Amino acid sequence: EDQVTQSPEALRLQEGESSSLNCSYTVSGLRGLFWYRQDPGKGPEFLFTLYSAGEEKEKERLKATLTKKESFLHITAPKPEDSATYLCAVGRSGGSNYKLTFGKGTLLTVNP
Amino acid sequence: GAVVSQHPSRVICKSGTSVKIECRSLDFQATTMFWYRQFPKQSLMLMATSNEGSKATYEQGVEKDKFLINHASLTLSTLTVTSAHPEDSSFYICSARKWDNRHTEAFFGQGTRLTVV
Repeated sequence: EDQVTQSPEALRLQEGESSSLNCSYTVSGLRGLFWYRQDPGKGPEFLFTLYSAGEEKEKERLKATLTKKESFLHITAPKPEDSATYLCAVGRSGGSNYKLTFGKGTLLTVNP
Repeated sequence: GAVVSQHPSRVICKSGTSVKIECRSLDFQATTMFWYRQFPKQSLMLMATSNEGSKATYEQGVEKDKFLINHASLTLSTLTVTSAHPEDSSFYICSARKWDNRHTEAFFGQGTRLTVV
């Protein structure tokens, strides 16, 4: 069974204090590791997809990396508007049975 | 990123009535759409996978007759909660799969907050 574990569950940072979120996973036939941002009462907003170990992607203050067992979302010099729940998901191969399995998320709070 | 529109964003209905939620991919064709349910402070739980032109595939424990899914076109899937009860109150989110013959990505709608009174 696919498993996705995110840590920490919650993280409080001061504005400008860089940190990383972790996503550990076990899946057979990985077809993408996804990061999403979710604001309260909203649907997840797509951030990144990583497909192979060693791959990295960046967007503004965010950088996602991937190994064979985990992914990190690095946040550099965060701002209060980066406060949100960050979700990690893995896609599993299976043709028409393709599906995503989500972790429980990390609630990030950035204080001014 | 691609745009997925979900409607309505909020709905309140009486117990015993049915509610329909629409999910549209606005700028791409989606042969596969997904329906999730999310409880407060919990992650997304996949309810069913909706394939255009065929029957939806439901996850274990999800009642097919209660959560009717129709994916009649490449840009529209609907979820109908039939004979709704207060325990069906939740946040429902749809997702559409965008496939380019090599990579696949999933984009989400805004979600629908269903309250059954």
